[in-house]
Amino acid sequence: GQSLEQPSEVTAVEGAIVQINCTYQTSGFYGLSWYQQHDGGAPTFLSYNGLDGLEETGRFSSFLSRSDSYGYLLLQELQMKDSASYFCAVRERSSASKIIFGSGTRLSIRP
Amino acid sequence: DVKVTQSSRYLVKRTGEKVFLECVQDMDHENMFWYRQDPGLGLRLIYFSYDVKMKEKGDIPEGYSVSREKKERFSLILESASTNQTSMYLCASRASVHYNEQFFGPGTRLTVL
Repeated sequence: GQSLEQPSEVTAVEGAIVQINCTYQTSGFYGLSWYQQHDGGAPTFLSYNGLDGLEETGRFSSFLSRSDSYGYLLLQELQMKDSASYFCAVRERSSASKIIFGSGTRLSIRP
Repeated sequence: DVKVTQSSRYLVKRTGEKVFLECVQDMDHENMFWYRQDPGLGLRLIYFSYDVKMKEKGDIPEGYSVSREKKERFSLILESASTNQTSMYLCASRASVHYNEQFFGPGTRLTVL
């Protein structure tokens, strides 16, 4: 089976940089995705890493290392609106290719 | 833009009632999913459907069933609601098994009394 581990909470200061880690145990997957969910809102897709290395999208970057079974989401120049929960997810390497989510990290940003 | 809609934002039911949660997507996506979200547990997959009339169990299917008679609609059924099914239910769709991005509906907050 698959399992993904994330810290439950992270706190950071506005303008700073924060890294949210995701470690996983999986028998096979296509890649690692990240989703953002604001309180009361629906999860929205942020990024995808199909290959090892760093993917950058504006202030957000995501990293994957398959050899270390590890990935992270890096948020730079933090803004108050980045306060949200962040979920890592994998797409299984199977015929149905279902997506499994981690338990989520709640990011709180202080002024 | 992909739009995923769910029939209710809030729902209150009594123990033993049969409950229907409806989800509709408007982008001709092949795959649809039902998750429940509980504090500290993330999103747990209940059932998914990779095509019309096709369904597959997720990680926590007990107490639930699903129906997908049309491509755009995926229904979650609680045959006999119980208090431990009080939760946020999220529907999602995806273009096909070859894609990574899922699009989520706004969720239904179900309370079973």
